[in-house]
Amino acid sequence: GQQVMQIPQYQHVQEGEDFTTYCNSSTTLSNIQWYKQRPGGHPVFLIQLVKSGEVKKQKRLTFQFGEAKKNSSLHITATQTTDVGTYFCAGSSNDYKLSFGAGTTVTVRA
Amino acid sequence: DGGITQSPKYLFRKEGQNVTLSCEQNLNHDAMYWYRQDPGQGLRLIYYSQIVNDFQKGDIAEGYSVSREKKESFPLTVTSAQKNPTAFYLCASSIKGGSNQPQHFGDGTRLSIL
Repeated sequence: GQQVMQIPQYQHVQEGEDFTTYCNSSTTLSNIQWYKQRPGGHPVFLIQLVKSGEVKKQKRLTFQFGEAKKNSSLHITATQTTDVGTYFCAGSSNDYKLSFGAGTTVTVRA
Repeated sequence: DGGITQSPKYLFRKEGQNVTLSCEQNLNHDAMYWYRQDPGQGLRLIYYSQIVNDFQKGDIAEGYSVSREKKESFPLTVTSAQKNPTAFYLCASSIKGGSNQPQHFGDGTRLSIL
């Protein structure tokens, strides 16, 4: 079945630095969503991308959908302690089910 | 407040026992989902329902069963056929079915084997 791969699995970031997490699919995706799960919490929807090459920003977070619609990235600038958590991408190629990546767990050094 | 309520928060199962996890939503959403989350893995879809009285198997349905008799309720039964049930179970809903719909999650139920 469809698989969505996410790298890196863990990201240790110094407060104030930038980092990027990547999401790759073996098949063309119709859309991709990003979720954030705080430690001990549940996933919370952040954003959805549907167009080839689409870029969306939410304050310090920049989300991008690749031109071929097979990959996506989340870039966070000036990392803060509130950014701690696991970020999941979820994509679909069949309009029915989302496939979630394994997530990138982010820790921040103050 | 509108949202999704999962209960119990923690659940323990004995060998050979069936257990049922509750999921209730007051968001008036048509679609509901059950996911299983294991350490180091993403969310894996167990079952989903796009409308009341209808549901479909997800990627890992073996050993699980569901019902959707009411729009607001989507209980999950973990049967004794599920040999490795220890996991964090998340219920979600969306306004309607389809992969382009944002999903809203409950707080989860953590199931362990005694």
